[in-house]
Amino acid sequence: NAGVTQTPKFQVLKTGQSMTLQCAQDMNHNSMYWYRQDPGMGLRLIYYSASEGTTDKGEVPNGYNVSRLNKREFSLRLESAAPSQTSVYFCASSETQQGGVREQYFGPGTRLTVT
Amino acid sequence: KNEVEQSPQNLTAQEGEFITINCSYSVGISALHWLQQHPGGGIVSLFMLSSGKKKHGRLIATINIQEKHSSLHITASHPRDSAVYICAVPNYGGSQGNLIFGKGTKLSVKP
Repeated sequence: NAGVTQTPKFQVLKTGQSMTLQCAQDMNHNSMYWYRQDPGMGLRLIYYSASEGTTDKGEVPNGYNVSRLNKREFSLRLESAAPSQTSVYFCASSETQQGGVREQYFGPGTRLTVT
Repeated sequence: KNEVEQSPQNLTAQEGEFITINCSYSVGISALHWLQQHPGGGIVSLFMLSSGKKKHGRLIATINIQEKHSSLHITASHPRDSAVYICAVPNYGGSQGNLIFGKGTKLSVKP
């Protein structure tokens, strides 16, 4: 079991370039999440997918789009990167529980720098 | 929206010391999570608890639902415990399964 995998691990972009961060999980989880982590701030939710075929905005969705390709894969796209999107990005997954929150499993992170 | 406060922000201890990290939240919850972020960046879940106390090795997590407060204790601390410890609670303003994270407590244990 690989758990949650993310690619790439590191990326440097120029302002205005686009890229897609890939995430996959092999735990048969319904829910998947994309977070960003910035110095001095807690993890903040960008987008989430409660189940295959659905996606919803989180706390900081501007400048991002997502695709839940299938149950395993959840990608995050930056259409026109900006320096404010310099951050560490984490993908996570969890089972879904009615009325509660299940343990989340995190990928290793992608460190993105936009110059 | 739930608000999460952790204290202290930074903590330096000598090997062997007893460590306490605190977490307070503003809205009643069904369960609270403690996570550990390694110096290399990886994040792992330590505990999910809804009442009382849980123990895993030298780590103990407690929660007081009435006081909206949780503590993470580390007994006989060791340099390998150096990490950022993060508290997280459900965000009931959003869809189920979403968490609100504290800013973390950075622990450094000196030999």
